[in-house]
Amino acid sequence: TQLLEQSPQFLSIQEGENLTVYCNSSSVFSSLQWYRQEPGEGPVLLVTVVTGGEVKKLKRLTFQFGDARKDSSLHITAAQPGDTGLYLCAGNTGRRALTFGSGTRLQVQP
Amino acid sequence: GAVVSQHPSRVICKSGTSVKIECRSLDFQATTMFWYRQFPKKSLMLMATSNEGSKATYEQGVEKDKFLINHASLTLSTLTVTSAHPEDSSFYICSARPATSGARTDTQYFGPGTRLTVL
Repeated sequence: TQLLEQSPQFLSIQEGENLTVYCNSSSVFSSLQWYRQEPGEGPVLLVTVVTGGEVKKLKRLTFQFGDARKDSSLHITAAQPGDTGLYLCAGNTGRRALTFGSGTRLQVQP
Repeated sequence: GAVVSQHPSRVICKSGTSVKIECRSLDFQATTMFWYRQFPKKSLMLMATSNEGSKATYEQGVEKDKFLINHASLTLSTLTVTSAHPEDSSFYICSARPATSGARTDTQYFGPGTRLTVL
């Protein structure tokens, strides 16, 4: 059973479009992280959200942590081909190891 | 930013041989490192948690005698795949948790991964 469900699993869009990726769980997390991974490389940390309701912006990326700290979303504005990759959310349940979501594979066509 | 390296980045070996993968935190100390396995187009699967100076904690279903983990110092953890078989072929990724990381944020930094192919 996947503790963290991501949706959609796969997304193919045109350059310039907007998109939102969701990360949902029935568990409460003390913090949640978003990573992007490119083929053959390790995940790169994009952001850590800690407070319920928190919103963080990283250029064209907007991250939101749910009020109850059970879910999160990643919104990308005006997607670029360079945004292509596997997006992973990961939650901290306090057991030290992160729990990873199922992943969302994004492909941005030029 | 915090940098984690893995060596080798790619290894091809014959069935029955053992392969050692190193994970190093280059500019910070890590009391805890994690080893993950990733199958093509899938998410990361935690294999074990490596604590400096103590035995690793393995996830359910991961054979500790097959995947030997040694965390000898605050900057180095090694994963040895013993008697490797083709089904062990995978992308292995480590991450390191800085000793100064807060319990709530639990920031981890990932290595670039090691592609293991067992013939």
